[in-house]
Amino acid sequence: DAGVIQSPRHEVTEMGQEVTLRCKPISGHDYLFWYRQTMMRGLELLIYFNNNVPIDDSGMPEDRFSAKMPNASFSTLKIQPSEPRDSAVYFCASSPLGVGGLHTDTQYFGPGTRLTVL
Amino acid sequence: KQEVTQIPAALSVPEGENLVLNCSFTDSAIYNLQWFRQDPGKGLTSLLLIQSSQREQTSGRLNASLDKSSGRSTLYIAASQPGDSATYLCAVKGGTGGGADGLTFGKGTHLIIQP
Repeated sequence: DAGVIQSPRHEVTEMGQEVTLRCKPISGHDYLFWYRQTMMRGLELLIYFNNNVPIDDSGMPEDRFSAKMPNASFSTLKIQPSEPRDSAVYFCASSPLGVGGLHTDTQYFGPGTRLTVL
Repeated sequence: KQEVTQIPAALSVPEGENLVLNCSFTDSAIYNLQWFRQDPGKGLTSLLLIQSSQREQTSGRLNASLDKSSGRSTLYIAASQPGDSATYLCAVKGGTGGGADGLTFGKGTHLIIQP
């Protein structure tokens, strides 16, 4: 298995531009998570999906951020318009549904996308 | 709101030493606690997961303990090796755990093992 795949690995853009980050979860995983990591705030959960449906988006910082999961094998995180304070590493993680329908709690992380907004 | 704190923020020790990383959390009503490893430029790898009903978990040279009532966990690394150099993150999952709630992370301990 290739693991969680994220693209691009690095993104440099100018303030005001639209940025789209992409994630392909591990095949068969029911849950997908988006996290953001900064030096100041550490790793923060932004949003997560279950079976392509957004369950909790309370971590999304502003309306400029949006996330979609059109199918079980693809998700996007969009920032429009981008600002310098959005510069961070954005991680996607996926998790399978465990035995008996219980979440296994083991999340598998992608390598992250390092976003720099100038 | 749950807060997770890790001490120390950075640690440098000679190879072969045993060491302890600390994690504390403010809300003891957790479902489980995980320790992750993060290498530079890479994602996170889960090392150990302790359910709230457990006291410790072991994997090779790693041992993680959990004292839920006091809101603390420790990660013990025996006979440290240069390959152990990485950032170690502690994360808790709150509530009953019935849903796939996201994790609350500490800011990590940056560990360097000197050859």
